[in-house]
This record gives sequence, structure tokens and C-alpha cells, in this order.
Amino acid sequence: ELKVEQNPLFLSMQEGKNYTIYCNYSTTSDRLYWYRQDPGKSLESLFVLLSNGAVKQEGRLMASLDTKARLSTLHITAAVHDLSATYFCAVGTNAGNNRKLIWGLGTSLAVNP
Amino acid sequence: DVKVTQSSRYLVKRTGEKVFLECVQDMDHENMFWYRQDPGLGLRLIYFSYDVKMKEKGDIPEGYSVSREKKERFSLILESASTNQTSMYLCASRGPGQPLEYQETQYFGPGTRLLVL
Repeated sequence: ELKVEQNPLFLSMQEGKNYTIYCNYSTTSDRLYWYRQDPGKSLESLFVLLSNGAVKQEGRLMASLDTKARLSTLHITAAVHDLSATYFCAVGTNAGNNRKLIWGLGTSLAVNP
Repeated sequence: DVKVTQSSRYLVKRTGEKVFLECVQDMDHENMFWYRQDPGLGLRLIYFSYDVKMKEKGDIPEGYSVSREKKERFSLILESASTNQTSMYLCASRGPGQPLEYQETQYFGPGTRLLVL
């Protein structure tokens, strides 16, 4: 059974600092997704990582995937308050039309002045 | 832009009532999903559908059913609502297209916060 673990689950950081959120998963997959959720809002796609070694960057966020280690990281550079949100990783299972996602519990990030 | 809409943002129902949650997407997506989100439990898949009239159980289908009569609409039905079904319900869709990242992405609706009294 595929399991996805994120850590930390809660993260409080100061503006301007760097930090990394980790996403480990238990069985083979080459599909890894990062989503963001603002309080009271729905989920918004951030990154889709589709192969070993994939790296994607958007602004102060950079995501990478190591399928051999079954690990993805979401790196935050020089955090700003606007990045405060909950970040979820999800791993794809099965192929084709019935692909499902298995979700981590989310990392609640608070960026403080 | 992909648009996924849900019929209600907030809903209050009584125990035993039949509840319908509607989801509509405007991008001709084949795949649609219903999740519930609860604090500390993350997102859990209730049902999904990969074509009209096709459905598959997710991880927590008990107490729920679904209907997909048209490609753009996926309904979640609580046959007899119970207090433990109080939750945030999220609908998502996914479909073909380019680039590959697009067809791999699930697009979410705004969510329905359901309270069962």
C-alpha cells in the first residue's frame, strides 16, 4: 500500500529564511505533485514532477524529485509572508485513466515578519 | 483556464437527510474525483469517475454514492447524512491536453463545507 509522509507537519519561519519540506513515499512512482492551499480555500497546483531528477522552480519555491530515494523536496528561498499556506504533496498510483493520488497530510507553513 | 464549480460553498443538513453535492467542470475532462478533507487526516478519496456512467470506489466510499450522467457533471450523494460526514468536500477533474503536466494535474473546485446536525 502506497503511503506518503510529509515533514514537518507544522513550520513556523521568519521572513528571509530558507527551509525545505520533505515528502517521502513508500512504493515506486514517477508522478509527484505539489499543491498549495490557503486558509478556507481550495487546492491549487504548484508543480508536477514526472521523472527522476526533475526540478521545477516558481518564484521562491523549488521542487525536486528523486525516484530512487522515493523523496521529493520543496525548498523555500528567502520566505515572505505571502507563502504562508498549507503545502501538500501527492503521489500518483496506477496508470492511465484510473490513476489516483495518494496525499500527504500537508505542511502548514507560517512565515512571520 | 480550467473551471471547476461546486453547487454550494456551505451547507447545513440534518441527520438522515439525503444530500446532493454537485460538481461541474468546463474543460471536457474525462476524470472527476470527490474527496473529503478533515483536519489531521488530509485528503481522502471517496469516489472517482473516468468516463460517463463509470465510477470507482476510492478509499472511503461507505455512506456515499455518485452519479455521472454527463461528462461535465459529477454528483456526490449522501444517502442518509450522519454527523460523522460533517467535513469539507472537494471535487477535482483531470483530462487530456498538452503539455503533459496539464493532463497530469487535478484541478479543484472551491469546496463545500457540510455541517450535519
